[in-house]
Amino acid sequence: NAGVMQNPRHLVRRRGQEARLRCSPMKGHSHVYWYRQLPEEGLKFMVYLQKENIIDESGMPKERFSAEFPKEGPSILRIQQVVRGDSAAYFCASSPTASGRLYNEQFFGPGTRLTVL
Amino acid sequence: GESVGLHLPTLSVQEGDNSIINCAYSNSASDYFIWYKQESGKGPQFIIDIRSNMDKRQGQRVTVLLNKTVKHLSLQIAATQPGDSAVYFCAENIGGTYKYIFGTGTRLKVLA
Repeated sequence: NAGVMQNPRHLVRRRGQEARLRCSPMKGHSHVYWYRQLPEEGLKFMVYLQKENIIDESGMPKERFSAEFPKEGPSILRIQQVVRGDSAAYFCASSPTASGRLYNEQFFGPGTRLTVL
Repeated sequence: GESVGLHLPTLSVQEGDNSIINCAYSNSASDYFIWYKQESGKGPQFIIDIRSNMDKRQGQRVTVLLNKTVKHLSLQIAATQPGDSAVYFCAENIGGTYKYIFGTGTRLKVLA
């Protein structure tokens, strides 16, 4: 049973380019969360998606950042016109469909480390 | 609270000793807490959780203590091993919502 998968693991972009980060949740999980982690800091919530719906994007910058979780395929976090300040580790987590259990653990992927030159 | 980019606090312990990692959480309404372990270059890994109706929970070599009065959480690791070297985060949750708030983290270094 594969865990949460993210690719690429490392991504280098020049300023102004686009970055696309992909996340495949665990099998049976329909909830996806994206977090950003700066060096020596904790994880900061960016966006929460269910299949074909953005539920909460309050942690995501309104400009240049977008996220989707299509009916088929992985969730995508897209950063347009990257700047040096976007350099960080981006983690995806997934949790199962609500099953009557009040608290759902979030299972994390290995992350994508984005470096903007 | 929000991190301001400070270096992570570091706890250095001798192999075989017990480790205690502390976390002050932010919201008095938080009622579920998780400790995560993050090794270098990897994603956070679930260690142990606790609900607010408990003040102590034990796992294998780990114990979590919760003090709601002072909004404090601690993780105790017994007989610390080199493989325990990592950054440890606490995460708080309110009422089973999807949103977790992560602490800044503590780096644990195990000395041989």
